[in-house]
Amino acid sequence: DAKTTQPTSMDCAEGRAANLPCNHSTISGNEYVYWYRQIHSQGPQYIIHGLKNNETNEMASLIITEDRKSSTLILPHATLRDTAVYYCIVRVIYNNNDMRFGAGTRLTVKP
Amino acid sequence: TGVTQSPTHLIKTRGQQVTLSCSPISGHRSVSWYQQTPGQGLQFLFEYFSETQRNKGNFPGRFSGRQFSNSRSEMNVSTLELGDSALYLCASSLEPTGNQPQHFGDGTRLSIL
Repeated sequence: DAKTTQPTSMDCAEGRAANLPCNHSTISGNEYVYWYRQIHSQGPQYIIHGLKNNETNEMASLIITEDRKSSTLILPHATLRDTAVYYCIVRVIYNNNDMRFGAGTRLTVKP
Repeated sequence: TGVTQSPTHLIKTRGQQVTLSCSPISGHRSVSWYQQTPGQGLQFLFEYFSETQRNKGNFPGRFSGRQFSNSRSEMNVSTLELGDSALYLCASSLEPTGNQPQHFGDGTRLSIL
């Protein structure tokens, strides 16, 4: 699986949009981009995933660049409960169900 | 309901063995296990689908698992070592393909004394 690079930490003001970047410059055409988050003492929570098109769900939006070498997770109106470690992962499409987690980005939402 | 893991906490001593249990989301047939430690982060242990181990991470043979016909899964760690202290996470998905999100339980926190 392609390696991902994320900033170690980020801050965001409550009510503002949180934009979390991820670099995956070696991604191949058969790999999805996934985002998870982990709040202290809980298991990782699935947020969103995409292949090449931008995606939106009730939690967040995923913007993938045209060359697919980077992506941005957007939390439109961050709340204090969004404080967590956010992981960006790439996964092959077929026949491979393990996910390689990096260190992630620690997002702190401040009042 | 989500993925259910039991027990939530467990304390063992070196040399003992332990069995952890995971009930996947109803209808999910693929179950994966991960180990999370402060030093190594989240690491893949193994994956089961249709009662067969399909994929295995880089862990010693002391770590094993199985899946039952109802998709429930167990993992076993024998001859426990201090370094096995970790949060063990189970995740389930409909099928073992990259387009199916894995959904995690809240884990079993294992402490080795």
